[in-house]
Amino acid sequence: AQSVAQPEDQVNVAEGNPLTVKCTYSVSGNPYLFWYVQYPNRGLQFLLKYITGDNLVKGSYGFEAEFNKSQTSFHLKKPSALVSDSALYFCAVRGNSGYSTLTFGKGTMLLVSP
Amino acid sequence: DTGVSQNPRHKITKRGQNVTFRCDPISEHNRLYWYRQTLGQGPEFLTYFQNEAQLEKSRLLSDRFSAERPKGSFSTLEIQRTEQGDSAMYLCASSLGGNRVGGNYNEQFFGPGTRLTVL
Repeated sequence: AQSVAQPEDQVNVAEGNPLTVKCTYSVSGNPYLFWYVQYPNRGLQFLLKYITGDNLVKGSYGFEAEFNKSQTSFHLKKPSALVSDSALYFCAVRGNSGYSTLTFGKGTMLLVSP
Repeated sequence: DTGVSQNPRHKITKRGQNVTFRCDPISEHNRLYWYRQTLGQGPEFLTYFQNEAQLEKSRLLSDRFSAERPKGSFSTLEIQRTEQGDSAMYLCASSLGGNRVGGNYNEQFFGPGTRLTVL
């Protein structure tokens, strides 16, 4: 069975500082990894994905994520946080065989203070 | 707007009643998914269609739940004899099928959800 762990319920960072939202995963075979963001009263929005290739993946709104196979991690990062980045962030994983079922973590609330 | 749409956005019902939700995916997407999200949790997979075929169902999908995608376009999710534990946000997503590297394959695009409250 595949699973995702987001060890932090909440991450607090000051505007302009770098941010990291942590994610570790467990899956059979090679993973497909995703980050989504959810704003209040809105659906999940796709940020970025890792399928294969470079371990550093760049996505929307200046976010990037680093795939680390040995540590089974896919941490989300941004060099300089904005207040508007405050939202709920979800990491998700699926295996590379069979169906397209995504397994999500429980989410991490990111709060960026002015 | 060419994104995934869901109707209704909110539904309040009494325990024991039946409810039906509709999802319209992005038009060229052949895969459609239903998820359930409760407070403080990530979305949990319920079921998945490729075109009109329902290919996988989660053990979360009890006999009271049924989903259809009759023409391979929109989908409906029906909950019969609702229970208070069914209260949640029901999310629909769609994607292009296939495991081809690159392009827009694999990521799922989500609708705004239907919030169900069972009294």
